[in-house]
Amino acid sequence: GESVGLHLPTLSVQEGDNSIINCAYSNSASDYFIWYKQESGKGPQFIIDIRSNMDKRQGQRVTVLLNKTVKHLSLQIAATQPGDSAVYFCAENAGGTSYGKLTFGQGTILTVHP
Amino acid sequence: SAVISQKPSRDICQRGTSLTIQCQVDSQVTMMFWYRQQPGQSLTLIATANQGSEATYESGFVIDKFPISRPNLTFSTLTVSNMSPEDSSIYLCSAPRTSGVLDTQYFGPGTRLTVL
Repeated sequence: GESVGLHLPTLSVQEGDNSIINCAYSNSASDYFIWYKQESGKGPQFIIDIRSNMDKRQGQRVTVLLNKTVKHLSLQIAATQPGDSAVYFCAENAGGTSYGKLTFGQGTILTVHP
Repeated sequence: SAVISQKPSRDICQRGTSLTIQCQVDSQVTMMFWYRQQPGQSLTLIATANQGSEATYESGFVIDKFPISRPNLTFSTLTVSNMSPEDSSIYLCSAPRTSGVLDTQYFGPGTRLTVL
């Protein structure tokens, strides 16, 4: 797969721990946010999304928190498993004429140790 | 989720040549998007491929270098022209799919391009 370890922040956790991945976004006009998981050699896989009129949304083992005041997004993964090891990206969209256009964060490498 | 396929999955090309990447979506969509992911980097939007009109390019990307076709509502191609080693990247296409009340962008598996 591609090399993703040279420029990205990393997070290492033990299996079973909870993981928190953070993201600072740049555009105060962004109203839609998505978290993606990218495994080696694959395209980004949708995990969870949230609109700006919400501050929390939960999925299966994942929770996204949005703080618009400080333009911060976080992804919480409960009971992290080795299969969660991947690069995680946040993405933002400003809607309107920018419909569908995503601006990606730098990404975080999550490594889960058995 | 949307099913998006890309061809080729990877290629190794010589400098100065061109490569056309294909993207197929399993349902009709108005817009498709092309992204570039340079080694060790995040994704950057190249252009929006609109059916029936010219593609719209983001700052730093031009049609002569990355011509795009969108012949119908399920298919698009991106050509990387006159390649140099700096074009070595993963090229990804995306398309929206409604998830509940939201249009979420789903991605293809990517085309891994190496230019020698």
